[in-house]
Amino acid sequence: IAGITQAPTSQILAAGRRMTLRCTQDMRHNAMYWYRQDLGLGLRLIHYSNTAGTTGKGEVPDGYSVSRANTDDFPLTLASAVPSQTSVYFCASSDGEYNEQFFGPGTRLTVL
Amino acid sequence: GQNIDQPTEMTATEGAIVQINCTYQTSGFNGLFWYQQHAGEAPTFLSYNVLDGLEEKGRFSSFLSRSKGYSYLLLKELQMKDSASYLCAVRDSNYQLIWGAGTKLIIKP
Repeated sequence: IAGITQAPTSQILAAGRRMTLRCTQDMRHNAMYWYRQDLGLGLRLIHYSNTAGTTGKGEVPDGYSVSRANTDDFPLTLASAVPSQTSVYFCASSDGEYNEQFFGPGTRLTVL
Repeated sequence: GQNIDQPTEMTATEGAIVQINCTYQTSGFNGLFWYQQHAGEAPTFLSYNVLDGLEEKGRFSSFLSRSKGYSYLLLKELQMKDSASYLCAVRDSNYQLIWGAGTKLIIKP
């Protein structure tokens, strides 16, 4: 792999179900991020991790959780999906929190 | 509150020049980024400004005035492939990026 990969590409999910979105990077970047992008709104930060073993809450963390067990992986979990979580989810990484972010291809999630 | 304002949509002609403006009000300032996002794709980095002035990179230039809370992205010699959304983002005092909603640029032949 080169860069950041996300899985799945798209998913339709029933409300109340649990879902984990996967994100893996091979650039050895310390910092990783999860955003959601909704029509007419800017990217909104859900959670972030400045280094393996640490995580922090962004602007819209409710209903989501993350873990950062190692440098490469940063999964995002929806414990009990709701329709308002229908969105496009982007994972990103950067070489330190001071540098530009590189984005994965995104996951389009629909919660019915 | 924190706010990034950009025009929603702009139209320009192939071969011409277009300027996309961004104004911001944030808690602290640690740099401003411009990203390009084609429909259905991920954002990709274009430019970064942290000091006042103009940064030029090929056909694209970005300008910053910190005292005015203002930036613009200038695209020259427009090509059809430049049709995309352009996202302005400011890094705040917590070193988190605050994003504008993006400007959709439509290029006409």
